[in-house]
Amino acid sequence: DQQVKQNSPSLSVQEGRISILNCDYTNSMFDYFLWYKKYPAEGPTFLISISSIKDKNEDGRFTVFLNKSAKHLSLHIVPSQPGDSAVYFCAARAFGNQFYFGTGTSLTVIP
Amino acid sequence: KAGVTQTPRYLIKTRGQQVTLSCSPISGHRSVSWYQQTPGQGLQFLFEYFSETQRNKGNFPGRFSGRQFSNSRSEMNVSTLELGDSALYLCASSLERARGYGYTFGSGTRLTVV
Repeated sequence: DQQVKQNSPSLSVQEGRISILNCDYTNSMFDYFLWYKKYPAEGPTFLISISSIKDKNEDGRFTVFLNKSAKHLSLHIVPSQPGDSAVYFCAARAFGNQFYFGTGTSLTVIP
Repeated sequence: KAGVTQTPRYLIKTRGQQVTLSCSPISGHRSVSWYQQTPGQGLQFLFEYFSETQRNKGNFPGRFSGRQFSNSRSEMNVSTLELGDSALYLCASSLERARGYGYTFGSGTRLTVV
């Protein structure tokens, strides 16, 4: 059973506009949420994270929002750049340092 | 510093065979986790090792096993390979049992079972 879901397999955005990637989860015991970015033929790289006690975390062009009541997580990229084109995975941590990943959203930023 | 190194990068095996994949973590990292990535399932957690002890295990059959050595290098083994085991196997290391931001992934081993 998929505890972390990314329902949009792909997203296309014009350069300079906002990219919004969404993630839903089912386990209310998750205490930490993360976003990873993956280029082809490379392993995922950590992008940004948020603790379950917060609702927003910002790092440069990247902001993650957490809505615990809706069990929803989103990543905003503003402004989007062609180099942001990659697959983005959201992940959630359960007790014991076990992470659950979504299936990924492929973002294409069009120049 | 050197990143997480996984060997081999590509592997083709026949059904019924067994395979061993290797992961060398970043120097000083004692936690190593393994994930299976398939197109429809995303990244599925296999197991985590910390200081040579398996600390956590995902929902995979007993055909999947692993170990960690005293130098923190880790291996995972899959016995009696099935076609469905074809996937990208990723290893991630961290300094301690981090909350995720300490994870560094390797580039993976692409296993194809024919």
